[in-house]
Amino acid sequence: DVKVTQSSRYLVKRTGEKVFLECVQDMDHENMFWYRQDPGLGLRLIYFSYDVKMKEKGDIPEGYSVSREKKERFSLILESASTNQTSMYLCASSARLAGNNEQFFGPGTRLTVL
Amino acid sequence: AQSVTQLDSQVPVFEEAPVELRCNYSSSVSVYLFWYVQYPNQGLQLLLKYLSGSTLVESINGFEAEFNKSQTSFHLRKPSVHISDTAEYFCAVKGRYGQNFVFGPGTRLSVLP
Repeated sequence: DVKVTQSSRYLVKRTGEKVFLECVQDMDHENMFWYRQDPGLGLRLIYFSYDVKMKEKGDIPEGYSVSREKKERFSLILESASTNQTSMYLCASSARLAGNNEQFFGPGTRLTVL
Repeated sequence: AQSVTQLDSQVPVFEEAPVELRCNYSSSVSVYLFWYVQYPNQGLQLLLKYLSGSTLVESINGFEAEFNKSQTSFHLRKPSVHISDTAEYFCAVKGRYGQNFVFGPGTRLSVLP
C-alpha cells in the first residue's frame, strides 16, 4: 500500500517560532510537493522538488523554505511562524513520468499559530 | 498556465438524489483532468481521471465525469448519492508535459438523510 506520511496531524506553535513539517513517501517518487489548504481557496502550491537537493518556488513561497536531502523526505520550514500561516498543510508526491502521473497525498498537518 | 473554476462552493443534497459538481478549466495546452475527494480530517484521494480516449470516465463508487473539450468542462456526477459521499471534492488539471497540478477551490458536498 503506497504511503505518504506527515510527521504531525495537529501542531500548535507560537508566533516567531521556527516550525518544521516533515513528509516521507515510500514510493520512490522523484517529485514532492507542499501545499496549503484554506477554505474557499483550495490547494495552493508552496514549493516543489523534482529531485534530491532541488527545489522550486510555487505560487506562495513567501515565509517558507524547504529541504530535500533524501529522495523520500521533503521538509517544509517556517522560519518565523506568523498567525497568517495557520492552515492545513498537505504533502504530495508523484512519479516523474510526464503525463498522467497522479499525485498521492499525505493526511495533512493542521497548524495553528498563536 | 492553467486555471480551474468550481462555481459551487457548497452543494447540499438529499440521500439517493442525483448530484452534479461543476468544473471548468482554462489552458493553452492539452491537459489531463482529475477529480480528488477529501473526507473529513483526511488527505486527498484520487476519485477519477481523464487522460485520453473515451470522454466518459467512471470511479469504482458510482461517480462519473465527462470531458467536454468545446466547453472546457469536466463535471462530476452521481445518479444516487449516499451519506458516505459527504466530502469535499476538488477538480484539478495538469498540462500534458508538465509536472504540476492546478486545483480548483473545492466543492463541499453534504448529503442529508
